[in-house]
Amino acid sequence: QSVLTQPPSVSAAPGQKVTISCSGSSSNIGNNFVSWYQQLPGTAPKLLIYDNNKRPSGIPDRFSGFKSGTSATLGITGLQTGDEADYYCGTRDSSLSAGVFGGGTKLTVL
Amino acid sequence: EVQLVESGGGLVQPGGSLRLSCVASGFTFSTYEMNWVRQAPGKGLEWVSYISSGGNTIFYADSVKGRFTISRDNPEKSVYLQMNSLRAEDTAVYFCARGTDILATMDYWGQGTLVTVSS
Repeated sequence: QSVLTQPPSVSAAPGQKVTISCSGSSSNIGNNFVSWYQQLPGTAPKLLIYDNNKRPSGIPDRFSGFKSGTSATLGITGLQTGDEADYYCGTRDSSLSAGVFGGGTKLTVL
Repeated sequence: EVQLVESGGGLVQPGGSLRLSCVASGFTFSTYEMNWVRQAPGKGLEWVSYISSGGNTIFYADSVKGRFTISRDNPEKSVYLQMNSLRAEDTAVYFCARGTDILATMDYWGQGTLVTVSS
């Protein structure tokens, strides 16, 4: 069981918008920055969002991040079939002195 | 271009040992934290271990504490994971990942190396 809680799956049509939630506690999301990762089938994870809402160079602005209290949200607009992937939230847990991830959310673009 | 290349995976019997290596290029290795993250077949990501840029601060997941040892060689631009007393539940693809903000962000990942623990 993961420290951070994500929905197992979400789906939406091409061109639409989807959000993926990530719930934690005061020892992790509540007092630390959140990152989001995209893992395309058969590949390594890739950083999409860091520091709650910042995008690394090369990540399109269709991807956005938001944090409030002990929850975070990844938003993806203008969905494309190439966005079909597993998405993970991650952060530090200060009580555990550990890195923690959500269980992952599989995005299907119908 | 930042590159991380893992090696050392393979098939090992329960109770056995393996040493994973990750060689870095394209950035000043000695100034970055490094992590190992694993992914069991069909499962999600699990953080395994962290080492600071100078090697002075180390953290482990409870699931591997006392069995795994992380280390680094900055002149060789490499990070290692010594895995002892391996169990079937350690079977996974092991990724090395460059870190920033101590455990909160992993900005570049290697392609992974598969470790299979089975008799």
